[in-house]
Amino acid sequence: AQRVTQPEKLLSVFKGAPVELKCNYSYSGSPELFWYVQYSRQRLQLLLRHISRESIKGFTADLNKGETSFHLKKPFAQEEDSAMYYCALKTDSWGKLQFGAGTQVVVTP
Amino acid sequence: NAGVTQTPKFRVLKTGQSMTLLCAQDMNHEYMYWYRQDPGMGLRLIHYSVGEGTTAKGEVPDGYNVSRLKKQNFLLGLESAAPSQTSVYFCASSYLENEQFFGPGTRLTVL
Repeated sequence: AQRVTQPEKLLSVFKGAPVELKCNYSYSGSPELFWYVQYSRQRLQLLLRHISRESIKGFTADLNKGETSFHLKKPFAQEEDSAMYYCALKTDSWGKLQFGAGTQVVVTP
Repeated sequence: NAGVTQTPKFRVLKTGQSMTLLCAQDMNHEYMYWYRQDPGMGLRLIHYSVGEGTTAKGEVPDGYNVSRLKKQNFLLGLESAAPSQTSVYFCASSYLENEQFFGPGTRLTVL
């Protein structure tokens, strides 16, 4: 069965501290994973995808097929990183996404 | 470009009432999707469309119907609203199976 698990509902970190959001997946095929972010009063938007292997706003995420994980990391959190973060798995060629439950990140000064 | 727009932004219904949510996109995207967002459950796919005149069921389609009569519009209908359909509804579109672009959401309350 296809499943995306984000074990943390809420992450509270201090500005300047590292932050890591966990994402584990279950998928029988070759996975394609994404991180989407929703800032307060804004629409959901793509943050990054594993196939591009890029760093966006200081965030990186590495796909670990052995551990079936796609954790999102940033070495120094900023207040503007406070948002809801969703890990998503593309489940077929029609682009359908399976989302995790989301992790709310709060960065305090 | 407006991107993806949703109408209305908010709505309160009584149990048993019907309504239609409109999603419009001006990016000439083939694929469109309707999701619902509930606390602790993330976004769940209700229905999707891979082209004008085509629709398919997602993960939670019961109680909803959709239509894609024009490429730029994707309508989500609730024929007989139930309190369990209280949620925030998001529409998204994409160029084929690439990045999905989301609308601002519609907050629906069913009393």
